[in-house]
Amino acid sequence: DTEVTQTPKHLVMGMTNKKSLKCEQHMGHRAMYWYKQKAKKPPELMFVYSYEKLSINESVPSRFSPECPNSSLLNLHLHALQPEDSALYLCASSQVDRGSGYTFGSGTRLTVV
Amino acid sequence: AQTVTQSQPEMSVQEAETVTLSCTYDTSESDYYLFWYKQPPSRQMILVIRQEAYKQQNATENRFSVNFQKAAKSFSLKISDSQLGDAAMYFCAYSRNAGGTSYGKLTFGQGTILTVHP
Repeated sequence: DTEVTQTPKHLVMGMTNKKSLKCEQHMGHRAMYWYKQKAKKPPELMFVYSYEKLSINESVPSRFSPECPNSSLLNLHLHALQPEDSALYLCASSQVDRGSGYTFGSGTRLTVV
Repeated sequence: AQTVTQSQPEMSVQEAETVTLSCTYDTSESDYYLFWYKQPPSRQMILVIRQEAYKQQNATENRFSVNFQKAAKSFSLKISDSQLGDAAMYFCAYSRNAGGTSYGKLTFGQGTILTVHP
């Protein structure tokens, strides 16, 4: 299995809702990442987990809460989001040797209304 | 801090022709990785090719090749025999080789939109 699977593919939520994004990989990668991408812009790093521990938080607002329950799963819990949080959220994973490249999922298109 | 610059917001090429996408980067590190990623309208970021900074030989993957000039900090992508399916946004990216458990960030350029004309 050489894929990163993200669910759901599309999500519309109100500003008072609580929702979660899910990411799963079975490649044995021990680093997992959340990126946020606006249209026609490069992805922006949000969080990095290594060996299931949060190693990088790029000053992301607390309304985004990551969770890594095990080495294959990565969640992003969303609460009280703003319309400007609407974006494509990409999950990625990599091996210890990051030179082999990062494998990305196809993303969740999030719209906050 | 590392930066990656793609100076061509848009490029176009005729089907079967060759096109080169430019990328420059700035780093004080000597050991790092460089990547080209392709993002078609389907959204998934797909790894096209990668280069290890300590290897002088330019990487090649089928119709895709790079021109890696370490001293000039340049990393261009050449696409030969362009196909309609090559149309996408292309991102150049940099990753520092921190080693061990220090997983760092992937720094992206601003991207180049490639259009392929039939």
